[in-house]
Amino acid sequence: NAGVMQNPRHLVRRRGQEARLRCSPMKGHSHVYWYRQLPEEGLKFMVYLQKENIIDESGMPKERFSAEFPKEGPSILRIQQVVRGDSAAYFCASSPQQRGMNTEAFFGQGTRLTVV
Amino acid sequence: AQSVAQPEDQVNVAEGNPLTVKCTYSVSGNPYLFWYVQYPNRGLQFLLKYITGDNLVKGSYGFEAEFNKSQTSFHLKKPSALVSDSALYFCAVRDFSGGYQKVTFGIGTKLQVIP
Repeated sequence: NAGVMQNPRHLVRRRGQEARLRCSPMKGHSHVYWYRQLPEEGLKFMVYLQKENIIDESGMPKERFSAEFPKEGPSILRIQQVVRGDSAAYFCASSPQQRGMNTEAFFGQGTRLTVV
Repeated sequence: AQSVAQPEDQVNVAEGNPLTVKCTYSVSGNPYLFWYVQYPNRGLQFLLKYITGDNLVKGSYGFEAEFNKSQTSFHLKKPSALVSDSALYFCAVRDFSGGYQKVTFGIGTKLQVIP
């Protein structure tokens, strides 16, 4: 049973380009979370998605950032017109279910975005 | 709103000595608490969790954590530190108040085990 798969592991983009980060949850998991880890900072919640639905995007910047989790395929975190401040590690986590389920979220290896 | 505090940016301990990484939490309901570890340039690995039951929780790699409701703490401990334990440790709390699971992380504590 493969874990949470994120790709690419490393992504370099020039300022103004678009970055697309992919996350395939664990098999059987229908809930996906995105977190951002800035240098010398902790993990900040960005967005929580279920299949085809955004449930909580309270941690997402209002502009340039978007996320989706289509019925088929991986979850995508999209950053348009990247700036140097977007350089960070972006982690995806998945879980099978919510309330009442005694389980932890499983994390991917992360995508390290560098904006040059 | 739920929150987690890790008061120490870094903890240094000599190899073979016991270690403690501190965590306090704030939640509106029952706490669901976790510890994760992150090795350099790696993702997060689950160490242990407290949902209910015994206050002393045992986890991976010889780590354990003690849940203390009166002090709202969930400190991570290990009786004898190894150099390979050097990593970044995150305490986290899971909340269901919004009708769904949301995990909030502390800022992380860097553990340095000195040979």
